[in-house]
Amino acid sequence: DIVMTQSPDSLAVSLGERATINCKSSQSVLYTSNNKNFLAWYQQKPGQPPKLLIYWASTRESGVPDRFSGSGSGTDFTLTISSLQAEDVAVYYCQQYYTTPFTFGPGTKVDIK
Amino acid sequence: QLQLQESGPGLVKPSETLSLTCTVSGGSISSSRFYWDWIRQPPGKGLEWIGSISYSGTTYYTPSLKSRVTISVDTSKNHFSLKLSSVTAADTAVYYCASHLYTSGWTPADYWGQGTLVTVSS
Repeated sequence: DIVMTQSPDSLAVSLGERATINCKSSQSVLYTSNNKNFLAWYQQKPGQPPKLLIYWASTRESGVPDRFSGSGSGTDFTLTISSLQAEDVAVYYCQQYYTTPFTFGPGTKVDIK
Repeated sequence: QLQLQESGPGLVKPSETLSLTCTVSGGSISSSRFYWDWIRQPPGKGLEWIGSISYSGTTYYTPSLKSRVTISVDTSKNHFSLKLSSVTAADTAVYYCASHLYTSGWTPADYWGQGTLVTVSS
């Protein structure tokens, strides 16, 4: 199985400031034939299902605000919230869909400082 | 737009079989473009992918649960199902159904049900 790790476990950021979450996979999730990273980011708020934010490591899902951005390739990835808003308080998960079993990172909780 | 809704008992006794159904609306479960997933989340913990099924019945399961899991699809009812046998308290979780496209490769789940809490207790 591909093991996904995230750092930090939690972070508190002031409103309007940048939040950065890191994700690392135990093996590359880059499919070289199409140069796509099979890496997604989800946002989960309490009592709600996860919401897809980013796929192919850096493509925003339709309707996701542009303050959310994803970067990275191979085994190291980053989710950045450029200007934290109150509604961004949530747990964020990375997931690899390169191969089954699809695996998630343990999550990073984002709060307001 | 696809909508998914989980249903099934909220309480299951230890050693028994957990059975859930996910009803799909706004689209056909028979579409060759989609795979249908079950994912679970123990209270206060992270997400665990359980498995996926195609409209034709091709299945993929996570190895740690493979011996106890069966995912099936019923195209006549436009739903798919999860059975997890010999449950213990460790199987207590919110169970989500989800869907994702399969085109020339896997894609992430972009439609999710609201989830249903299943508690394993006597």
